[in-house]
Amino acid sequence: GQSLEQPSEVTAVEGAIVQINCTYQTSGFYGLSWYQQHDGGAPTFLSYNALDGLEETGRFSSFLSRSDSYGYLLLQELQMKDSASYFCAVRNAGNMLTFGGGTRLMVKP
Amino acid sequence: DAGVIQSPRHEVTEMGQEVTLRCKPISGHNSLFWYRQTMMRGLELLIYFNNNVPIDDSGMPEDRFSAKMPNASFSTLKIQPSEPRDSAVYFCASSSNTGNTIYFGEGSWLTVV
Repeated sequence: GQSLEQPSEVTAVEGAIVQINCTYQTSGFYGLSWYQQHDGGAPTFLSYNALDGLEETGRFSSFLSRSDSYGYLLLQELQMKDSASYFCAVRNAGNMLTFGGGTRLMVKP
Repeated sequence: DAGVIQSPRHEVTEMGQEVTLRCKPISGHNSLFWYRQTMMRGLELLIYFNNNVPIDDSGMPEDRFSAKMPNASFSTLKIQPSEPRDSAVYFCASSSNTGNTIYFGEGSWLTVV
């Protein structure tokens, strides 16, 4: 079976930095993805890590350690519009994604 | 470019009725996925098609659920008969075989009363 663990909720203030952790147990691991979902919207792709290390895309960065079955999403210079749910997802063969339960991020002024 | 297109966006139906959800994947994408999202169970993969062939349907909850992909540009998810516990947002998503990103449609919000 597969399981992913991430915090259910995180609160931060505008301009701050926040890190959302994700640990996973899976077989056939190809990579770790992160998706953002605003209330009432669809999940949208943020980043993907297939290899160990840090991937940076603007204010967002994602990290993976395959040996530790661990990754995180780092959001810098938080803005109010970053308030959303963030999901880590393990990619298996054939691009199938198994999602974690999601972390609800609330950004306060 | 058009993204993944789903219909209907919202549906309210009575228990026992048949529900059919429709999806048009992004042109050129080989893989299509149906996901269900609820507060209790999160985002669950129901079924995965590759080149119109069902590859993994282990997430389909029970025989009341069925999915088809008659061609590369169309898929349906059918629930018959529907039950209140089927109330959820159903997302269709697609990806290419060479990419590592799946793209979601806006979802079909189903309420069974």
